[in-house]
Amino acid sequence: EVQLVESGGGLVQPGGSLRLSCAASGFDFSNYWMSWVRQAPGKGLEWVANVKKDGSEVNYLDSVKGRFTISRDDARNSLYLQMSSLRAEDTALYYCARNPRMGSFFKGFDQWGQGTLVTVSS
Amino acid sequence: DIQMTQSPSTLSASVGDRVTITCRASQRISSWLAWYQQKPGKAPKLLIYRASTLESGVPSRFSGSGSGTEFTLTINSLQPDDFATYYCQQYNSYSWTFGQGTKVEIK
Repeated sequence: EVQLVESGGGLVQPGGSLRLSCAASGFDFSNYWMSWVRQAPGKGLEWVANVKKDGSEVNYLDSVKGRFTISRDDARNSLYLQMSSLRAEDTALYYCARNPRMGSFFKGFDQWGQGTLVTVSS
Repeated sequence: DIQMTQSPSTLSASVGDRVTITCRASQRISSWLAWYQQKPGKAPKLLIYRASTLESGVPSRFSGSGSGTEFTLTINSLQPDDFATYYCQQYNSYSWTFGQGTKVEIK
């Protein structure tokens, strides 16, 4: 069974930092692109960042570029999101999601964790 | 960035109804569109990718169509389990973007 389990969320002051983790199991983690997607309370979904299966390519939402860093450790089957200079508008439930790639195209996000809540407030 | 606009924002329907949700992209995205279902307190679930390909395990009453800038998600014979919020998402170019969601409510 595919499982994605996020951790590391919490309450942080504006300007602070936080590192999210996602532990993957039940599939060959090293063969998949992975993403972080967030959802502010009561709001819609927003893609944040993704990383290629070998870590050689990363992409970010414009509003988090320079503040967030996505990375992966295939030996530990883990995905990370280092967040710094956090703002109130970064408050959201952060999901780890799998991005299968079929040939030259993506399939969307086919597996999701249950999310970890990040609250940025003083 | 490519903006995705869904309509309607809310839809009231009865069990057995045929329901259609529209998603419009601000630029052409070929067929690089996915649809998701989300229930309260749960993670989204992939229903359709590449505009019209049904994800494995998803009931055949769900179907998707469209290309370019206009797309539709159709649910034939709405079931009690289908009352949820639905999102479209483009993955033609970064930043990947979602529609604002369509809530399907019980009439």
